[in-house]
Amino acid sequence: AQSVAQPEDQVNVAEGNPLTVKCTYSVSGNPYLFWYVQYPNRGLQFLLKYITGDNLVKGSYGFEAEFNKSQTSFHLKKPSALVSDSALYFCAVRDMGNTPLVFGKGTRLSVIA
Amino acid sequence: SQTIHQWPATLVQPVGSPLSLECTVEGTSNPNLYWYRQAAGRGLQLLFYSVGIGQISSEVPQNLSASRPQDRQFILSSKKLLLSDSGFYLCAWSVPGGPLHFGNGTRLTVT
Repeated sequence: AQSVAQPEDQVNVAEGNPLTVKCTYSVSGNPYLFWYVQYPNRGLQFLLKYITGDNLVKGSYGFEAEFNKSQTSFHLKKPSALVSDSALYFCAVRDMGNTPLVFGKGTRLSVIA
Repeated sequence: SQTIHQWPATLVQPVGSPLSLECTVEGTSNPNLYWYRQAAGRGLQLLFYSVGIGQISSEVPQNLSASRPQDRQFILSSKKLLLSDSGFYLCAWSVPGGPLHFGNGTRLTVT
């Protein structure tokens, strides 16, 4: 069975600094990996995905993520954080079949002006 | 373009009352449909998913049920709500292998 770990409940970063939100995964085959963002009292918004190809995936709002197969990681990154990036971020994984996504517990990002 | 509608946005129900939350998708055919629950603003728990009309998979035993009476309609129900059913309920759709697209959610408070 697939699983996702987001080891940090909370990440604090100063505006303008780079940010990283960590994610590690476990699947039986090749993974489909996703990042989502959630603002208060809203549904989750899709940011980016990795299916195959380049290990560095670019997504919405300047976010990118790096797939590392040997470390089974898919960390979310942004070169320069904005206060408006403050939100709850979820990593998710599925295997190559038509199985539902499994989500991590979420990491709350707080960008301080 | 595809859109997903989920209603109501908020709901306050007494213990023991029935529940019906509805979700509809527009602009796509035969989507995979999902119901998730989010407790305390954190992790998502998959409740039900459906890959076609009348096909419902339940992920956890609980006080809830789901139905898919039409291709793009997904309903979450309960005959008698419990206090523990309170939470933020999210409907989502996807094409096979694709990302999930979420509705805006229903905040349910059982009193």
